[in-house]
Amino acid sequence: DAGVTQSPTHLIKTRGQQVTLRCSPKSGHDTVSWYQQALGQGPQFIFQYYEEEERQRGNFPDRFSGHQFPNYSSELNVNALLLGDSALYLCASSHRGLASETQYFGPGTRLLVL
Amino acid sequence: GQQVMQIPQYQHVQEGEDFTTYCNSSTTLSNIQWYKQRPGGHPVFLIQLVKSGEVKKQKRLTFQFGEAKKNSSLHITATQTTDVGTYFCAGGNAGGTSYGKLTFGQGTILTVHP
Repeated sequence: DAGVTQSPTHLIKTRGQQVTLRCSPKSGHDTVSWYQQALGQGPQFIFQYYEEEERQRGNFPDRFSGHQFPNYSSELNVNALLLGDSALYLCASSHRGLASETQYFGPGTRLLVL
Repeated sequence: GQQVMQIPQYQHVQEGEDFTTYCNSSTTLSNIQWYKQRPGGHPVFLIQLVKSGEVKKQKRLTFQFGEAKKNSSLHITATQTTDVGTYFCAGGNAGGTSYGKLTFGQGTILTVHP
């Protein structure tokens, strides 16, 4: 049973560029949440996708957008990259039908913006 | 918005000593989750607490959820070098429009000296 997978593992971009990160949820999960973790900080909620729609959004600008596909996988897109976007981007999956909100995190994508 | 504070930020212990980290939320939570993140790794789910005053144990780890469901603690008895990492609490608000949005504390970095 595969856990949450993310790609790529590492990425280097320059300011102003655009990036797409990908996530496949744990088998049986239908909800994907994205978090940004800056160095030395706790993960910060970006947004959540369920039934191919953005259901919740944290305090992130519109440069951050996403998508969920029919197979529950998800993408995170960041436009006009800033140096401050350098962080570990984590995808977490869960099953919305459960009362529990337990989320399982993938290994993350480390993004460096130069 | 909801804030989750975690103390201490750092804790250095000798192997065999006990360790405790505390978590406080600005709002009442529906549940609290604890995660461990090893250096260079991603958050790994440890446990979820849901009920007021709940206490759960996992071997040497004891987790508590406060009566008011606004605070929580993680206590490790007789630390081992394998306990090294950052421990995060994350508050959840299941139901309504806030399903699945976890608010993380800043984490407590635990180092264990052999």
